[in-house]
Amino acid sequence: QSALTQPASVSESPGQSITLSCTGTSSDIGGYNYVSWYQHHPGRAPKLMIYDVNKRPSGVSNRFSGSKSGNTASLTISGLQPEDEADYYCCSYAGNNVHVLFGGGTKLTVL
Amino acid sequence: RLQLQESGPGLVKPSETLSLTCTVSGDSISSIYYYWGWIRQPPGKGLEWIGSIYYSGSTYYNPSLKSRVTISEDTSKKQFSLKLSSVTAADTAIYYCATHFYLNWFDPWGQGTLVTVSS
Repeated sequence: QSALTQPASVSESPGQSITLSCTGTSSDIGGYNYVSWYQHHPGRAPKLMIYDVNKRPSGVSNRFSGSKSGNTASLTISGLQPEDEADYYCCSYAGNNVHVLFGGGTKLTVL
Repeated sequence: RLQLQESGPGLVKPSETLSLTCTVSGDSISSIYYYWGWIRQPPGKGLEWIGSIYYSGSTYYNPSLKSRVTISEDTSKKQFSLKLSSVTAADTAIYYCATHFYLNWFDPWGQGTLVTVSS
């Protein structure tokens, strides 16, 4: 099964909002409400930002929110700050055989 | 608070077996709430789930790696391990261990360890 599809890169200005997309199929994103998102600064451990499509772990800024429509999940970041510049990966449960799929990652640049 | 740390050789020869260990602190590795997972990131590429193990010993593997992967646990040492056989240069990556909740989300992650496959 193929990885989830994410745009390779996006950019936006500080203070603005941006939505990152993650497209799968009915066998993964569309079939379960088990999408998670990770922020990854190179050289550091990836950080969980969203789980179960739209739940935010304790300590994660409420500027980060998640949603899903059909086979596409989205991560919205509002009030962009320079420290939000990072790689973002989506992840979905994909059933009893495949189990877990990651997206290819989106590099977010905060101009 | 859970913390995880990977350890193992940073250089493995082609055709040999890559072996890594993840040491868990802050909670029991036998908790019914946790699966324990391995994820890797080849240079310049995205994340790839390798596999996960439950406290009962049940294992779950990425179908594309299943024939070469073994994940095991040592509850007395609070460790779980990864073995990847017949490695090639394509297996060069940063390898992360992580707590894998309900085979759903990963949190927290270890810092990662770079493994290079080269003669």
